[in-house]
Amino acid sequence: ETGVTQTPRHLVMGMTNKKSLKCEQHLGHNAMYWYKQSAKKPLELMFVYNFKEQTENNSVPSRFSPECPNSSHLFLHLHTLQPEDSALYLCASSQGGVLAGERNEQFFGPGTRLTVL
Amino acid sequence: GNSVTQMEGPVTLSEEAFLTINCTYTATGYPSLFWYVQYPGEGLQLLLKATKADDKGSNKGFEATYRKETTSFHLEKGSVQVSDSAVYFCALNNYGQNFVFGPGTRLSVLP
Repeated sequence: ETGVTQTPRHLVMGMTNKKSLKCEQHLGHNAMYWYKQSAKKPLELMFVYNFKEQTENNSVPSRFSPECPNSSHLFLHLHTLQPEDSALYLCASSQGGVLAGERNEQFFGPGTRLTVL
Repeated sequence: GNSVTQMEGPVTLSEEAFLTINCTYTATGYPSLFWYVQYPGEGLQLLLKATKADDKGSNKGFEATYRKETTSFHLEKGSVQVSDSAVYFCALNNYGQNFVFGPGTRLSVLP
């Protein structure tokens, strides 16, 4: 595997379900990100991890819970979601990140298309 | 704070037409500037970048020049193809701050 991978690619869940999205980067980066992409809305930054530490939480509801066990893996745990949470969830990684003061590009995974019924 | 403005489109062109997608930014200092492309059903891919004033980024026939005097980074391509149909995002990254993306411009190229 190369680059940034995300699983599953598609997920349908009910409002009472609990599920997790997984992201893995094979680039040796030390910063990872979760974004939400909804139709007709700008890309929304949800969470940022630098060197496994969460450095950003953009007022995301607590029904979204991130986890970063190491620099290569990032999870997004989902529970009691709402239909308006249906979107494409994108993971990205970069070298350096905010803490390092770098201006490097981010590399994105293919996303998980989430539908909440 | 930092911000990026780009034409939202949609932009519809015929094959082999000239493409320009405008992007302007607001930022202090010297951010890096990027264009990303998103094809249907996929994530964002880096198309090109520029890290300092007057740099020209280029890739796959696309190019953009970092213009600090006009705070712009317009994307151009001389002859578009149907396969260029996608959403294009302008973005910036400044020291010690998170990425900022524009709203995206949808491009449709007709045969």
